[in-house]
Amino acid sequence: EVKLVESGGGLLKPGGSLKLSCVASGFTFSNYWMHWVRQAPGKGLEWIGEIEYDGTETNYAPSIKDRFTISRDNAKNTLYLQMSSVRSEDTATYFCTTHRTWGQGVMVTVSS
Amino acid sequence: DIVMTQSPSSLAVSAGETVTINCKSSQSLLYSGNQKNYLAWYQQKPGQSPKLLIYWASTRQSGVPDRFIGSGSGTDFTLTISSVQAEDLAIYYCQQYYDTPYTFGAGTKLELK
Repeated sequence: EVKLVESGGGLLKPGGSLKLSCVASGFTFSNYWMHWVRQAPGKGLEWIGEIEYDGTETNYAPSIKDRFTISRDNAKNTLYLQMSSVRSEDTATYFCTTHRTWGQGVMVTVSS
Repeated sequence: DIVMTQSPSSLAVSAGETVTINCKSSQSLLYSGNQKNYLAWYQQKPGQSPKLLIYWASTRQSGVPDRFIGSGSGTDFTLTISSVQAEDLAIYYCQQYYDTPYTFGAGTKLELK
């Protein structure tokens, strides 16, 4: 079964840091560009970034550029999102996706 | 950034009706090198992750019922759902993947009349 499972979400204060993980199974992880998409409560979808097959290229949305970093470990079939200098507007459910396959999402709440 | 404008924002339908959702991009999504439109459609039901319905503007993802039809080229795209069923009630998003950031439309909520 093709599956993506996110973890690492939680509550953090503005200016804090958090690292999300996404474990892939059921497909050859290293063959796929991977993406993070987020959804604020009651709002639409926002693409926030992607990483190439071997991690050599990343692209980010302006809203998170220079604050968030996407990385991957193909040996562990795992995608990461390192979040730093978080703001209240980063409160959202974060999904990892290949576009065809989506994880269930993980909630991140930024609040003082 | 490429701006994706979806219309309408919501749509009330009865089962069996045909519905059309529009998506307009601020620049062409047609790549001349392969003549493909870099446009996808997703369905998101309450409490669930998005589901890919259509890619390359008109190619149906495996397992998606053939009542979902994607069409259009360049800057104007349409998702048509023929004979809407209760299970189709959801929010539908278009997304361009022509250039980063890969922007989404604001969504169209399909509701029961």
